[in-house]
Amino acid sequence: EAQVTQNPRYLITVTGKKLTVTCSQNMNHEYMSWYRQDPGLGLRQIYYSMNVEVTDKGDVPEGYKVSRKEKRNFPLILESPSPNQTSLYFCASTRRLAPRWMNTEAFFGQGTRLTVV
Amino acid sequence: KNEVEQSPQNLTAQEGEFITINCSYSVGISALHWLQQHPGGGIVSLFMLSSGKKKHGRLIATINIQEKHSSLHITASHPRDSAVYICAVGRSGGGADGLTFGKGTHLIIQP
Repeated sequence: EAQVTQNPRYLITVTGKKLTVTCSQNMNHEYMSWYRQDPGLGLRQIYYSMNVEVTDKGDVPEGYKVSRKEKRNFPLILESPSPNQTSLYFCASTRRLAPRWMNTEAFFGQGTRLTVV
Repeated sequence: KNEVEQSPQNLTAQEGEFITINCSYSVGISALHWLQQHPGGGIVSLFMLSSGKKKHGRLIATINIQEKHSSLHITASHPRDSAVYICAVGRSGGGADGLTFGKGTHLIIQP
């Protein structure tokens, strides 16, 4: 079954304690991205990756890091979490169509609800 | 940056009613997505379209590229259709910088 898997689903942590949210897809998709969802603001892009070792900032990258060492995995790292990073996080993946990137169907993980106290 | 506006923000209807949710965007796009988010948070892709119309069961999505507008219709609505419906657009002209989302339409279908 085609899917994007995020872990953990729920996480409560304290300010300053480093954490990683994992994301893995089994569809051999080139493109992966991280979004956060906040009430009244909708979904906003944090970081994206067009392929292995290729990452770039989205609209709200401050306080986050990512890596893409393997095609299937795209972890989101919070080096020093703060309460304003309390949010619902989604990982998504899509296939990239040559010769120019075009939208294809997007697959989303189940979400990670993060609370930073 | 593309602005994506959805209307209405909230919609409550009776079972069986025909539902329309609208989405407008400000700049050219490569494709438009309609997504569904149920309570509990998971997001599912309903449609991706770049022109015309698509139908899946009781759901119909249309897009007018010239007017920069899309609609999602639900026929014979059912309480299980209650969810948040989100419109998202991808940038045109290449460049894989992801999707821009509307704020969503919260739909409640009452029995």
